[in-house]
Amino acid sequence: NAGVTQTPKFQVLKTGQSMTLQCAQDMNHNSMYWYRQDPGMGLRLIYYSASEGTTDKGEVPNGYNVSRLNKREFSLRLESAAPSQTSVYFCASSPLRGNTEAFFGQGTRLTVV
Amino acid sequence: EDQVTQSPEALRLQEGESSSLNCSYTVSGLRGLFWYRQDPGKGPEFLFTLYSAGEEKEKERLKATLTKKESFLHITAPKPEDSATYLCAVRNVTDKLIFGTGTRLQVFP
Repeated sequence: NAGVTQTPKFQVLKTGQSMTLQCAQDMNHNSMYWYRQDPGMGLRLIYYSASEGTTDKGEVPNGYNVSRLNKREFSLRLESAAPSQTSVYFCASSPLRGNTEAFFGQGTRLTVV
Repeated sequence: EDQVTQSPEALRLQEGESSSLNCSYTVSGLRGLFWYRQDPGKGPEFLFTLYSAGEEKEKERLKATLTKKESFLHITAPKPEDSATYLCAVRNVTDKLIFGTGTRLQVFP
């Protein structure tokens, strides 16, 4: 059982380049999340999707876009990468709306130079 | 605004020295409070879910408790392998999941 799979694991971008971070889950979960984690800042929510076809902004959405392609997949796009977007990105999914825990992928380490 | 605050930021313990981590929160309609453990270079790993004030959960040397405004993670007689960052999160009525900044725990032999 793969759980939550993120690709790529590592990426280096030049300022201004674009890229899409992919996330897929095989647990038939309804809710999916994208976070970024920076030293001393904890996990900050970028966007989330409570169900297929819906997306909502989190705490730090500026500079990002998301697509809930289907129930399995939730992608995060950086249209014009900036050094401030250097971070570790985590995708998570949760079985049901309400009182259930989220499961995390292993993260994507992104460096923007 | 939904918010989660964890304290202390860092905690150093001697092996066997019990202590507690704090998570205080404000949330629009609590749909669950979650504790996670995170090891360096890895994603957070789920520990506990608490739903209502007065609830307690235990797992090995860890015990989580919940009141209307805060949660505690009690660590009894910790071992070096308990060293990690412990994260607290709350889910609100819109399914938003908000994390605190974590407590970095180091347990020395």
